Amino acid sequence: QKEVEQDPGPLSVPEGAIVSLNCTYSNSAFQYFMWYRQYSRKGPELLMYTYSSGNKEDGRFTAQVDKSSKYISLFIRDSQPSDSATYLCAMGVRGGSQGNLIFGKGTKLSVKP
Amino acid sequence: NAGVTQTPKFQVLKTGQSMTLQCAQDMNHNSMYWYRQDPGMGLRLIYYSASEGTTDKGEVPNGYNVSRLNKREFSLRLESAAPSQTSVYFCASSVSRQGSYEQYFGPGTRLTVT
Repeated sequence: QKEVEQDPGPLSVPEGAIVSLNCTYSNSAFQYFMWYRQYSRKGPELLMYTYSSGNKEDGRFTAQVDKSSKYISLFIRDSQPSDSATYLCAMGVRGGSQGNLIFGKGTKLSVKP
Repeated sequence: NAGVTQTPKFQVLKTGQSMTLQCAQDMNHNSMYWYRQDPGMGLRLIYYSASEGTTDKGEVPNGYNVSRLNKREFSLRLESAAPSQTSVYFCASSVSRQGSYEQYFGPGTRLTVT
């Protein structure tokens, strides 16, 4: 079983839809969680990070962590064509090996006008 | 602030040639990383440097060497390029916040080995 599993998609939605992106993980030692957005032919860009179970909201984006189920989600409300990108989840162990993160393989999202 | 910069943006090599990918960050971060990204494989860590003067192997170090030249710069060298090293290479740096690390990535180098 891989440490982090992420459905690669592609996921195609109409503009204005609510998007749900998910990752599951197997290592209960993970303590902090991040979402990166990667536009085509660009580097990953840190979108959100959270340390605890529960929800964290930033504009149209909400990150949700359920440590008991080892499951994290990113919700995008009122999705826009500019949200079309690959979304990678990442997680790490606090105080762990020099800040190494474990990444999911990414979900490709396409928002159609 | 430029953040993390990488040079070159694109490179084509013949099998057996060598080259060095350059990375620099201006955010005063201690830790720096080199990844490769291949379709269907996600980001794979090649080498990392927790601080100036230290380097460690990641998941896929074979065929690569690194140098942490100073706090700002971390280079990746391919001594004898192979077609299997065709990939997109990303450099990242990170800052620690209360024991957790946020990584910031450069724009990438697209390398083709023929």
